[in-house]
Amino acid sequence: DTAVSQTPKYLVTQMGNDKSIKCEQNLGHDTMYWYKQDSKKFLKIMFSYNNKELIINETVPNRFSPKSPDKAHLNLHINSLELGDSAVYFCASSRSGNPYEQYFGPGTRLTVT
Amino acid sequence: KNEVEQSPQNLTAQEGEFITINCSYSVGISALHWLQQHPGGGIVSLFMLSSGKKKHGRLIATINIQEKHSSLHITASHPRDSAVYICAAARGGSNYKLTFGKGTLLTVNP
Repeated sequence: DTAVSQTPKYLVTQMGNDKSIKCEQNLGHDTMYWYKQDSKKFLKIMFSYNNKELIINETVPNRFSPKSPDKAHLNLHINSLELGDSAVYFCASSRSGNPYEQYFGPGTRLTVT
Repeated sequence: KNEVEQSPQNLTAQEGEFITINCSYSVGISALHWLQQHPGGGIVSLFMLSSGKKKHGRLIATINIQEKHSSLHITASHPRDSAVYICAAARGGSNYKLTFGKGTLLTVNP
């Protein structure tokens, strides 16, 4: 009964392809996040959704499109993948009344060749 | 310059030693997080603090808001403490977000 789950765990694909990463949380949280961790292990926020509405979009290329079908899910779709998109992508969730405590998913390692 | 700076970048210790990792930030914050990332990649939230000090087992986190500085201490370190420790400054409001430091790689040798 994983709290925040992501699929797939590993994703290897070629440049130019379109791919999606899925995230689900069963904590009853209403805020979800996507973070990118680059090759130097530096974490950076990409998006945040609260009650299915986008509240943070941090200068991420518009090839990245988050989609939140409901409060428990936040998927990340990436079009026209580039080499620089290779990274580990983490999903996280929190409760809007307590945004400070975030629970992280296990990460998805994306490799673009 | 990153808004959140950590030191040291790498730290090697012998089992049993007292460990200190420092974090300085240049922005106004609502809270400061300490996170642990295991060699397998998973991230766990250790502490969230906005003032004073918190303790959990052998881990202690302190923050000085005036000096914009936080420390994470590990007492009686153990090889299983080997991980990357990341501090993150939280800015609140409806656009709550975390700004991360670059992490400190801690290796505790037996």
